[in-house]
Amino acid sequence: EPEVTQTPSHQVTQMGQEVILRCVPISNHLYFYWYRQILGQKVEFLVSFYNNEISEKSEIFDDQFSVERPDGSNFTLKIRSTKLEDSAMYFCASTLQGASTDTQYFGPGTRLTVL
Amino acid sequence: AQKITQTQPGMFVQEKEAVTLDCTYDTSDQSYGLFWYKQPSSGEMIFLIYQGSYDEQNATEGRYSLNFQKARKSANLVISASQLGDSAMYFCAMRETTGGFKTIFGAGTRLFVKA
Repeated sequence: EPEVTQTPSHQVTQMGQEVILRCVPISNHLYFYWYRQILGQKVEFLVSFYNNEISEKSEIFDDQFSVERPDGSNFTLKIRSTKLEDSAMYFCASTLQGASTDTQYFGPGTRLTVL
Repeated sequence: AQKITQTQPGMFVQEKEAVTLDCTYDTSDQSYGLFWYKQPSSGEMIFLIYQGSYDEQNATEGRYSLNFQKARKSANLVISASQLGDSAMYFCAMRETTGGFKTIFGAGTRLFVKA
């Protein structure tokens, strides 16, 4: 069964460093998303991406964040200068289309720890 | 106002018993999707079940069923014949047509299955 994959599973970084989280969405899906979950809290939307551009972003997704689809399979989230409060689980998700009835399939997540 | 409300932070159920996890939602859209995800201690988000706003029948997937009461804006998850492996965090979620198709999550309910 097709699935969303994410690498690395765990990333430890120093405050102020740049990190890139990688995702491979399901191959025929067209819409991609990033979410984050701070430990013990709810899952929060960061950004959605379609046709090589951001379609929506939340207040959390400030200038420190960027997304890219560098090739036909990968979808990346870059945090330019990490802060302690960026420590969270980051989930990538994809949908076949953009309808409200489409199920978002999530990757296993990348746990980011900022020291 | 909260879009998704899960009022039960934690629930206990005896193995082999059924359990209902509550979820209410708030939207003015006519077309929307309701989803339940399971998050075990390993952290991944596992899709369980989907209910479309226009679906007249309650969704079922194996031991999971969704008790959809549109007028009351509730979408409760029923797990029948609970198993020890059902112990996890459960999130109710919604995607709206006007919401940019991002998924909005509730705070979650932690389910403990007792042997």
